[in-house]
Order: sequence, then structure tokens, then C-alpha cells
Amino acid sequence: DIQLTQSPSFLSASVGDRVTITCRASQGISSYLAWFQQEPGKAPKLLIYDASTLQSGVPSRFSGSGSGTEFTLTISSLQPEDFATYYCQQLNNYPRTFGQGTKLEIK
Amino acid sequence: QVQLQESGPGLVKPSGTLSLTCGVSGGSISSSNWWSWVRQPPGKGLEWIGEIYHRGSTHYNPSLQSRVTISVDKSKSQFSLTLSSVTAADTAIYYCARVNILSGPPRFDYWGQGTLVTVSS
Repeated sequence: DIQLTQSPSFLSASVGDRVTITCRASQGISSYLAWFQQEPGKAPKLLIYDASTLQSGVPSRFSGSGSGTEFTLTISSLQPEDFATYYCQQLNNYPRTFGQGTKLEIK
Repeated sequence: QVQLQESGPGLVKPSGTLSLTCGVSGGSISSSNWWSWVRQPPGKGLEWIGEIYHRGSTHYNPSLQSRVTISVDKSKSQFSLTLSSVTAADTAIYYCARVNILSGPPRFDYWGQGTLVTVSS
């Protein structure tokens, strides 16, 4: 199985900050990586797929980059509704796997 | 707008079988997409269980493969999950999701709201 390791696991930031979350894959996955946002008590929401393609309806302050084994999710200017948990997911191989999550908290 | 809705018992006894159904509306289950199950133990991360194509092809997580079956009923526009020999470790929120493979790389673009299944006597 392909292991995905997110860093950091916890991140404290303020409204207006620029934040970056990293996802590293245990082997190359081309660009088959997605990012999800999950608010408490809700289903995951797709933000980015194919490493850098913004899902329809997602604000442009979210962006993704990377290929191979290293990927990043960047939020350019944090808004109050962005404080949530973020997961990466690889879709290059079966079984699909997720990172362990990054919890973004208000400083 | 595609909508997915999970349904099934919220409580299952240890060693029993968990059975859930995901109803699909606002789109055809026979479209060229896969349909997936993902679970999340309370307070923990996401685990992919498996997925099915409308023609019946399946992929399962090897960690669960011996206990899992995913099936599709096109006439009812739904797909189902059964997980046998459950233990407390199977207590989780179970989500169904669409795996969109049309016009681009695969992505889990629509999700159900999730349903909590507790394994307890």
C-alpha cells in the first residue's frame, strides 16, 4: 500500500495567514492526489484533485501543487470557515489511501 | 446535483454482519463512475473500504477483503456494503461516495452525509 504522510499534523494560525500543508507519498503517484476539507460532524469535501485542479465551487484561495511523491496544499489567506481538518488522498494505486490528517486551528 | 444517502442499522452485535445501502439521486448510477465506501472511526482518520462499477467490477481494501462485499442494484439506483464478523474496531461513521472518472482523473466528488454504526452487544 502507498503510505501518505501529512505534515504538520496540527497547525495553529490566524485569520489572514498563508498556510501550507505537505503530503508525502511512499512511492511515486504521478499527479493522482486529492485534497479534502472536513468540518466536525460533516462529510469530507473535495477541494483539489489531480494535485492542482480546483474543484468547482471551491474558493481560489485554495491551491495545490506537486507531483511524484511530494505535494502541497496552500491556503493563501485564511478565512474563519477554513479552520477544519484536511486530508490528502492518492488515487494512483489500489487500495486508495488517505493521509492521517492535518487539523488547522485558530491561534 | 448528485445526492447520496446512506441507510441501515446504527447498531450491530459483535460477530454479526453490518449492512448499509447508499441511495443515489440526481444522476444515473449506470453512468461511467465508480461508487465507493469510506469509513472513519470516531475521532480518527479516513479509511477506504472499496468501490464498485455499475457493471459489477469491484476493488476492495486488502485489510478488509475477506469480510467485505459491495454490490449494486441499478433498478433501485443504490449500492450496498456488507461487512461480516464485525468487532468493536468496525465502529465508525460510514460514508458512500461517487468516484468520478469522466472527463479527467478520478476524484471523490460527491459524498453522503455519513451514518454512524456502532458495534456493541
